[in-house]
Amino acid sequence: KQEVTQIPAALSVPEGENLVLNCSFTDSAIYNLQWFRQDPGKGLTSLLLIQSSQREQTSGRLNASLDKSSGRSTLYIAASQPGDSATYLCAVYGSGAGSYQLTFGKGTKLSVIP
Amino acid sequence: NAGVTQTPKFQVLKTGQSMTLQCAQDMNHNSMYWYRQDPGMGLRLIYYSASEGTTDKGEVPNGYNVSRLNKREFSLRLESAAPSQTSVYFCASSIQGLKEAFFGQGTRLTVV
Repeated sequence: KQEVTQIPAALSVPEGENLVLNCSFTDSAIYNLQWFRQDPGKGLTSLLLIQSSQREQTSGRLNASLDKSSGRSTLYIAASQPGDSATYLCAVYGSGAGSYQLTFGKGTKLSVIP
Repeated sequence: NAGVTQTPKFQVLKTGQSMTLQCAQDMNHNSMYWYRQDPGMGLRLIYYSASEGTTDKGEVPNGYNVSRLNKREFSLRLESAAPSQTSVYFCASSIQGLKEAFFGQGTRLTVV
């Protein structure tokens, strides 16, 4: 069974700092990996989708990388801002039975201090 | 752009009551999903519909039923609510399975 782990569970940084969020998964036979942000009491907002054939994907100040062989993905946030404060979730689609299911990590709660 | 719309946003039920959570998407997506989010458990798939006319069980289907009413709408029904079903429920959709998923704002359900 696929398991997704996000470390650290919480992170606090000063405004302007560059930071990296980590995601690891146990089964490297994934199809896609998706990063989301979730604000308190809100839904999930899609940030980036990396297909299994891709190594990285960029959107504005965000850059996500994928290393399937090692079962790892990172989300890099440049020049962090207080508005980036949220919980960031990593999720993977498997490539076998049950592949319609996104398996989620428990998230990293990010606080950017002004 | 509305995206994925869920109703209601909040609901309190008594044990044994029934209710239906509604979900509609306006992105012409083929696949739709219901997840629940619980503290310490993360998000888990309840049911999904790969395309109009099909539904399949996810990881935690017990106590729930679903209906894919048409391409836009996918409802989740609790026939006899239990306190263990207290959770935040999210509906999601994607153009097809395994593609980028878009989520609604959630329904916060409390069963007392």
